[in-house]
Amino acid sequence: GAGVSQSPSNKVTEKGKDVELRCDPISGHTALYWYRQRLGQGLEFLIYFQGNSAPDKSGLPSDRFSAERTGESVSTLTIQRTQQEDSAVYLCASSLVGSFGPNQPQHFGDGTRLSIL
Amino acid sequence: KQEVTQIPAALSVPEGENLVLNCSFTDSAIYNLQWFRQDPGKGLTSLLLIQSSQREQTSGRLNASLDKSSGRSTLYIAASQPGDSATYLCAAAGGGNKLTFGTGTQLKVEL
Repeated sequence: GAGVSQSPSNKVTEKGKDVELRCDPISGHTALYWYRQRLGQGLEFLIYFQGNSAPDKSGLPSDRFSAERTGESVSTLTIQRTQQEDSAVYLCASSLVGSFGPNQPQHFGDGTRLSIL
Repeated sequence: KQEVTQIPAALSVPEGENLVLNCSFTDSAIYNLQWFRQDPGKGLTSLLLIQSSQREQTSGRLNASLDKSSGRSTLYIAASQPGDSATYLCAAAGGGNKLTFGTGTQLKVEL
């Protein structure tokens, strides 16, 4: 399909383990965003990529969280030494920005539901 | 720091009713204001994007307005249908099109 794809759709892991979440953006979208949605709370911005660089990492909650993007395409969000408070739905979005200007809608994937036992 | 608030948190209406969802934001220095729909277990679907220089946008039965000076946006849904039942989120776009979201309005349209 032509939409944003995220994998896995669900992940259950034990506290202390590392997890990797993957996002495949829409082809040609230069901007990629990660958000977190915890139960009963609004979406929180985590990190933003323009191409392969991340000009805004201000939303990453701790140094256990990191993300990278390669080939101006796939992005991976890694959480090390997971804690129970990391349980949430992690959403990825992509958009045309850059030379197209900032007013481009973001297209979201269905998210990864992460549960830390 | 931008803060976005949505009222009401939940709304239940009979089919056919027109309704208004409210969104307010604290920092008027935004690029745009976006409205999304989220169905259970799904990601977000973009409904409308209003640029900071615009006053409103329309798509089918949906109309969204923006008043930057007062920090408010409204989403108007005409002739509501059961298929409109979902959570509606507004988001204010800052630098890099980074979005700050409200906590949403959970809408239920009953037969």
